[in-house]
Amino acid sequence: DTGVSQDPRHKITKRGQNVTFRCDPISEHNRLYWYRQTLGQGPEFLTYFQNEAQLEKSRLLSDRFSAERPKGSFSTLEIQRTEQGDSAMYLCASSLGGLSGYTFGSGTRLTVV
Amino acid sequence: AQRVTQPEKLLSVFKGAPVELKCNYSYSGSPELFWYVQYSRQRLQLLLRHISRESIKGFTADLNKGETSFHLKKPFAQEEDSAMYYCALRPVGDNYGQNFVFGPGTRLSVLP
Repeated sequence: DTGVSQDPRHKITKRGQNVTFRCDPISEHNRLYWYRQTLGQGPEFLTYFQNEAQLEKSRLLSDRFSAERPKGSFSTLEIQRTEQGDSAMYLCASSLGGLSGYTFGSGTRLTVV
Repeated sequence: AQRVTQPEKLLSVFKGAPVELKCNYSYSGSPELFWYVQYSRQRLQLLLRHISRESIKGFTADLNKGETSFHLKKPFAQEEDSAMYYCALRPVGDNYGQNFVFGPGTRLSVLP
């Protein structure tokens, strides 16, 4: 287990297209998080899973965004009908919960042209 | 609402000089505070957390609830400390999940 993996590393898409990102957390971590980071800003919370249950969603997560974590393992984040404002780094993190911090993935950089 | 501010976007110091990265927060309850660091071309990683009262790579941070601050300090900066530093808050309570609120970050540049 080499940590949190995200795929792809980079994605360039045309406006209006759908994109899907994948995150593989550390295997024993039951909590998984998605964050978005734009230039000059810190990461902003999008959504959080405990096992397969999506327990919290940010208001940033519009109707065009959907996340899943089937079987409580890997997670996918889909953005439908992408807009230029969706261009950002999408970060995934996992944790054991409690008082532990996160382990972050390297992120997927999305560019919408 | 919870908020984290880091007033300096960029902080430059000379090697061997003391460094202090400022972090202030707003939260009505009792938060958990963390510092995360991102070195060039590496992923974001946890540096330290206030509940551990630990010193990592010579860095320490003390939670001051009266001033709602969690400043990161190191007495003698090293060139390898050059990185982006993010202060983060996790609200504590039954009504909250496990998500962090991050500050905008401070880029520390340690000059030779």
